[in-house]
Amino acid sequence: GPKVLQIPSHQIIDMGQMVTLNCDPVSNHLYFYWYKQILGQQMEFLVNFYNGKVMEKSKLFKDQFSVERPDGSYFTLKIQPTALEDSAVYFCASSSEGTLYFGSGTRLTVL
Amino acid sequence: QQQVRQSPQSLTVWEGETAILNCSYENSAFDYFPWYQQFPGEGPALLIAIRSVSDKKEDGRFTIFFNKREKKLSLHITDSQPGDSATYFCAASASTGNTGKLIFGLGTTLQVQP
Repeated sequence: GPKVLQIPSHQIIDMGQMVTLNCDPVSNHLYFYWYKQILGQQMEFLVNFYNGKVMEKSKLFKDQFSVERPDGSYFTLKIQPTALEDSAVYFCASSSEGTLYFGSGTRLTVL
Repeated sequence: QQQVRQSPQSLTVWEGETAILNCSYENSAFDYFPWYQQFPGEGPALLIAIRSVSDKKEDGRFTIFFNKREKKLSLHITDSQPGDSATYFCAASASTGNTGKLIFGLGTTLQVQP
């Protein structure tokens, strides 16, 4: 099926640093999402993005979080500054007609 | 409050048996229900999905049974194989006013014993 690529697969950073997670969505998809998964448990919605704008965000999408997709390049999630509770696996997804396709995730460890 | 609930949390069946995974939801506006399969270290992959206008959706060994009145659905995996061992997530979304957001349950971890 369609592939969503996430870079890097793992990231370890110190608390307070900035981190950018990169996502290469399916080429003709128009909707983009970030989800957070802790300890292999529930996938929790963070934010979705369409036509250059955030459409909806959850309470997990703190002020320290931001997303963008400049000029059709990577769809990014930036966390600045990071906190210990940001440690999780972050999944990017994209869709065109309602079906979400997920990447393999970026495991973020904040020390 | 958990909008999408799954049971059991974990399930073990023997190879060849039918595994039944249950899901229920709260929001009457939900009308699209995909099931995702996730292997350790990988992202969730769409397995099968149903819309609320149907009461059954079949794809090979995987079948969704949907009861709109009771807000319940179930995923049946017939002739279970060891390769089916994974975590299965039930998800839901509403078409009206939808931004495409999916609400996931906590998942059912399935173990198929050879």
